[in-house]
Amino acid sequence: DARVTQTPRHKVTEMGQEVTMRCQPILGHNTVFWYRQTMMQGLELLAYFRNRAPLDDSGMPKDRFSAEMPDATLATLKIQPSEPRDSAVYFCASALRGGETQYFGPGTRLLVL
Amino acid sequence: DAKTTQPNSMESNEEEPVHLPCNHSTISGTDYIHWYRQLPSQGPEYVIHGLTSNVNNRMASLAIAEDRKSSTLILHRATLRDAAVYYCILRLAISGNTPLVFGKGTRLSVIA
Repeated sequence: DARVTQTPRHKVTEMGQEVTMRCQPILGHNTVFWYRQTMMQGLELLAYFRNRAPLDDSGMPKDRFSAEMPDATLATLKIQPSEPRDSAVYFCASALRGGETQYFGPGTRLLVL
Repeated sequence: DAKTTQPNSMESNEEEPVHLPCNHSTISGTDYIHWYRQLPSQGPEYVIHGLTSNVNNRMASLAIAEDRKSSTLILHRATLRDAAVYYCILRLAISGNTPLVFGKGTRLSVIA
């Protein structure tokens, strides 16, 4: 049963620290999305990649967030420096070329103190 | 993206059918209607999608109005495990897996 995996599942850190979240998309999926969910804003897109190339990262605060795909099996989302307002659940999703369905990971719950 | 409107919350008794409505009066001819749901403490999961005709799968049915300005997700027998937030999302037919635009969805509670 192929699934999107995310690590860590939970992260508590202090303001100013670097946070790295990792995502392993489903093997063979060529599109990867990063979403963030908060109570106030709901689910919103941060960035997405197709064939490892960034297509849209307009949802990310550029000064502190960065997203990369070092290879086809790994996507990373980094926050440096982290701030309390970054506290949220971060979801990664992947999709197959030509497919209409996105498959979401379990999320990383981040708390910045 | 065209906008959808859903009730904030609904309640159902276990083992009874549930009809979750979605209004999308500004839908275009090339928009598909997608439904995702998010169980507590999990990521969203795909439920069903359709264009014009009603659709059935193992999870649910999707009934689409003739004018396509509204649709209804039907859970034939609600179980406690169906308690979730249900999102109705419009996507261009040629979207090629572009990002999903989530609204607030409908929070479904299922009572035993």
